Amino acid sequence: EAQVTQNPRYLITVTGKKLTVTCSQNMNHEYMSWYRQDPGLGLRQIYYSMNVEVTDKGDVPEGYKVSRKEKRNFPLILESPSPNQTSLYFCASSFHGGAPAGELFFGEGSRLTVL
Amino acid sequence: QKEVEQNSGPLSVPEGAIASLNCTYSDRGSQSFFWYRQYSGKSPELIMFIYSNGDKEDGRFTAQLNKASQYVSLLIRDSQPSDSATYLCAVSPSGGSYIPTFGRGTSLIVHP
Repeated sequence: EAQVTQNPRYLITVTGKKLTVTCSQNMNHEYMSWYRQDPGLGLRQIYYSMNVEVTDKGDVPEGYKVSRKEKRNFPLILESPSPNQTSLYFCASSFHGGAPAGELFFGEGSRLTVL
Repeated sequence: QKEVEQNSGPLSVPEGAIASLNCTYSDRGSQSFFWYRQYSGKSPELIMFIYSNGDKEDGRFTAQLNKASQYVSLLIRDSQPSDSATYLCAVSPSGGSYIPTFGRGTSLIVHP
């Protein structure tokens, strides 16, 4: 089954404790991206990757890191989480050059609470 | 800054009515336009996409695109309570990029 898998789905942590949210896709997609979603603010892009070893900042990259060492995986790293990073996070992927261009496949989301 | 604007709503319609959701975008050269549905606490799922001016129909859903006016809409006919969700408009920019910009979404409530 084609899917984007995120883990953990739910996490409560404390300020400053490093954490990683994993994202894996089995569709051989080149493009992967992380979004956060907050009430009233919609989906905001954190980082994206066009292919292995190619990453770039989105609209709200501060406080986050990513890596793309393998095509299928795109982890999101919070080195020192703060309460303003409490949010619902989505990983998404897309086939580069496919049609429709820009169709995103989303993971189920990871709800993060930073105390 | 490329922008996609949607009325946040909520848009409330009775069951069986037509729901009309609207979206405007700022990048005149945008190529691809998408409507995603998102139930509360769930991930967005693609329901329609459109590339060309005019209408595109899929079941109870019709997407309408007017590039001259930089306007895209989604019509839902015979609305059902199960259509109650937030609808996100997404636009892929010009220049060969396919990274979509999302609007903030419109909340739709279909009441019995």
